[in-house]
Amino acid sequence: EPEVTQTPSHQVTQMGQEVILRCVPISNHLYFYWYRQILGQKVEFLVSFYNNEISEKSEIFDDQFSVERPDGSNFTLKIRSTKLEDSAMYFCASSGQGVNQPQHFGDGTRLSIL
Amino acid sequence: SQKIEQNSEALNIQEGKTATLTCNYTNYSPAYLQWYRQDPGRGPVFLLLIRENEKEKRKERLKVTFDTTLKQSLFHITASQPADSATYLCALDDGSSNTGKLIFGQGTTLQVKP
Repeated sequence: EPEVTQTPSHQVTQMGQEVILRCVPISNHLYFYWYRQILGQKVEFLVSFYNNEISEKSEIFDDQFSVERPDGSNFTLKIRSTKLEDSAMYFCASSGQGVNQPQHFGDGTRLSIL
Repeated sequence: SQKIEQNSEALNIQEGKTATLTCNYTNYSPAYLQWYRQDPGRGPVFLLLIRENEKEKRKERLKVTFDTTLKQSLFHITASQPADSATYLCALDDGSSNTGKLIFGQGTTLQVKP
């Protein structure tokens, strides 16, 4: 069964550094998402992306965050200047032909900011 | 304020029994509601989606109900097995943005004892 893959599985970065998290969504999916989960807390929506543009972003997704689909397969999340509070699991998800569809999640990147 | 609430206490049941998990929400009018399973260190895995005009959905040993008057969804696992032990998340759309954004509950941890 096709799956969403994320790399790296664990990223350790110094505060203030830039980090790029990578995702390969399921190939025929059209809608892409990033969520994060701070340890012990809820999964929180960050951003949705469709037709090469952001369709919605949350308050967490400030100017330090950006997303890109640089080619037909990758979907990236960049944090420009990381803060301690950015430490979390970051999940990429994709869904098929409409927004009211199941979302398929990757296993996440654990981001640790020192 | 808007809230999604799931039982924060873990649910412990004996193998073979039916597990029932509850998801209540306030101040949302979702078009659909989804249930996911999350194992430690893994991403959420989609289980079932139910739309606002559907009362009940089944898949193998799983059943979900959706009562938009009570603003509640119930998730049932019949003939439970130790392998069903995991955290179960409910998620809904906010009913207005139509971007696929999901809002998650904090999850209920189910422990099935042999």
